[in-house]
Amino acid sequence: EVQLVESGGVVVQPGGSLRLSCAASGFTFDDYTMHWVRQAPGKGLEWVSLISWDGGSTYYADSVKGRFTISRDNSKNSLYLQMNSLRTEDTALYYCAKDSSSGYCCNYMDVWGKGTTVTVSS
Amino acid sequence: QSVLTQPPSVSGAPGQRVTISCTGSSSNIGAGYDVHWYQQLPGTAPKLLIYGNSNRPSGVPDRFSGSKSGTSASLAITGLQAEDEADYYCQSYDSSLSGRYVFGTGTKVTVL
Repeated sequence: EVQLVESGGVVVQPGGSLRLSCAASGFTFDDYTMHWVRQAPGKGLEWVSLISWDGGSTYYADSVKGRFTISRDNSKNSLYLQMNSLRTEDTALYYCAKDSSSGYCCNYMDVWGKGTTVTVSS
Repeated sequence: QSVLTQPPSVSGAPGQRVTISCTGSSSNIGAGYDVHWYQQLPGTAPKLLIYGNSNRPSGVPDRFSGSKSGTSASLAITGLQAEDEADYYCQSYDSSLSGRYVFGTGTKVTVL
């Protein structure tokens, strides 16, 4: 069974840091681009970042560029999101999602995890 | 503020047909990039519903259909059922954005 399981979400103070993880199973992890997508409470989906199959290409939403870093460890079938300089507006449920291909253009997300909750509050 | 605009809500009685629009621009849908649709049932993660404008993944009922024309796309649900009550999001690629990927603003479908 194809599965994505996120972890690492906690309550953190503004200005703090956090690393989210996503464990993948049931598919050949290093064949696919991976994404992070978030959803603030009561709001819509917001795409956050992507990383290509080999980690060679990364893209970020303007709202997180310079503060968040996406990475992957293909030997561990794992995806990560390092979140620094956190703001209250980063409070959200963070989903890990598998891309439909290995590239970074124009594709869709065909498998989603259940998400992990990040709360930024003093 | 997303570059893909959807109506906040649509509603219909069981058995009826409803449509959800996704309006973009010349840098996304109008540039020829595909539109994909996701269904998010209450309290659950999004699920891929339509990919490549009009294709259904295995297991998605044929009551759901997608289309694209110009700078817009649409999702239609025919024979509306109670279990279709959910939030629906379009998604595409935008060459003007540094991040490139974008979701629509989302539409809540209510079954009356």
